[in-house]
Amino acid sequence: GENVEQHPSTLSVQEGDSAVIKCTYSDSASNYFPWYKQELGKRPQLIIDIRSNVGEKKDQRIAVTLNKTAKHFSLHITETQPEDSAVYFCAPRGDYKLSFGAGTTVTVRA
Amino acid sequence: GAGVSQSPSNKVTEKGKDVELRCDPISGHTALYWYRQSLGQGLEFLIYFQGNSAPDKSGLPSDRFSAERTGGSVSTLTIQRTQQEDSAVYLCASSSGGVTGELFFGEGSRLTVL
Repeated sequence: GENVEQHPSTLSVQEGDSAVIKCTYSDSASNYFPWYKQELGKRPQLIIDIRSNVGEKKDQRIAVTLNKTAKHFSLHITETQPEDSAVYFCAPRGDYKLSFGAGTTVTVRA
Repeated sequence: GAGVSQSPSNKVTEKGKDVELRCDPISGHTALYWYRQSLGQGLEFLIYFQGNSAPDKSGLPSDRFSAERTGGSVSTLTIQRTQQEDSAVYLCASSSGGVTGELFFGEGSRLTVL
């Protein structure tokens, strides 16, 4: 099965700074790479995803970059705001099964 | 409904009792997933349904756990003879199917076993 690792496990940033979370995976058949955000006490929600034929995707302040050769992809958040404080999960996928990473807790300090 | 609905939202039970957790997926979604999330932890895969079939039950922690889905819609997760380590939030998600289908999660059922 897929072995998924996220780094770091916790991240504290000053408001306005950038945050980067890295996700490594083991299954070379993975071809879909989503990131989910879970605010405290809420359900996880998809925030951005990328397919394997694309190296980078951007949506306003968030972006995802993919390195298929090295089997990792990263979430980038620029100009962080308090509402970005949450747990972020990567979930690389090659078939029906989504194996989620352990999560990264991001805290944005005012 | 507009989203994935789970019930009950909270359940407190005594050790040894059976519990049933229900999930109503988004209408038309063929894929349905159950995950377990312990406090401050990640999402542990339990089981996946495509239609009424469960091709992968490998995530179920023990034979006390079972799940079914009927009519390609509602799913029930049953935990028999509950133990304290079963305490967690049980999340259900559905998707339209396919590898790139977004998962839409319910609010979860918080289970506390005393």
